[in-house]
Amino acid sequence: QSVLTQPPSTSATPGQRVTISCSGSSSNIGSNSVIWFQQFPGTAPKFLIYTNDKRPSGVPDRFSGSKSGTSASLAINGLQSDDEAVYYCAAWDGSLNGPVFGGGTTLTVL
Amino acid sequence: EVQLVQSGAEVKKTGESLKISCKASGYSFRSYWIGWLRQTPGQGLEWMGTAYLDDSDNRYSPSFRGHVTMSVDESTTTAFLQWNNLKASDTAMYYCARGTSSWFFFDYWGQGTPVTVSS
Repeated sequence: QSVLTQPPSTSATPGQRVTISCSGSSSNIGSNSVIWFQQFPGTAPKFLIYTNDKRPSGVPDRFSGSKSGTSASLAINGLQSDDEAVYYCAAWDGSLNGPVFGGGTTLTVL
Repeated sequence: EVQLVQSGAEVKKTGESLKISCKASGYSFRSYWIGWLRQTPGQGLEWMGTAYLDDSDNRYSPSFRGHVTMSVDESTTTAFLQWNNLKASDTAMYYCARGTSSWFFFDYWGQGTPVTVSS
């Protein structure tokens, strides 16, 4: 049972916009910034979004993040077939004094 | 180029000991801590703990405290994760990843070390 709550799956067609939600509490998202990771089968997670809405170099601007209160969202515009992956949100938790994760959302590009 | 290279796959029996490693290169090792994470199909990604240069600063998730030990060797820029009494439930993929703070963490990951524990 993950601390942060994400929908298990979502799907969309190429070119569409998709959003993935991440819900937490006052001890994590409510008081700390959110990081998003992208994971392809058989590989390690990749750093995708940090500090709620910042993209590391090399991440396309089709990916964006936002946060409001104790929830956050990842949006992907102009969906492409190679965006098909599992997406995880994470945030530092002040009660745990460590990071907590969502259960991951499997994105299927139809 | 920043790299975290983990040791290879392990197959062990319950009750055995194991130590896996994570060799860091391409950055200032002192400027980042190393986190260890477990990934299983059923539990997703879980933070196990964070290893610092000074072992006394190490932080463990309550779920793993007392069952694993983390350490760092600055001379070889290598982090270690150790078990003294493996259980079948330790079967998982283990990742190391670096971080600097509560708002910037896990920007680089190791490739993962699969561990299989059977009776």
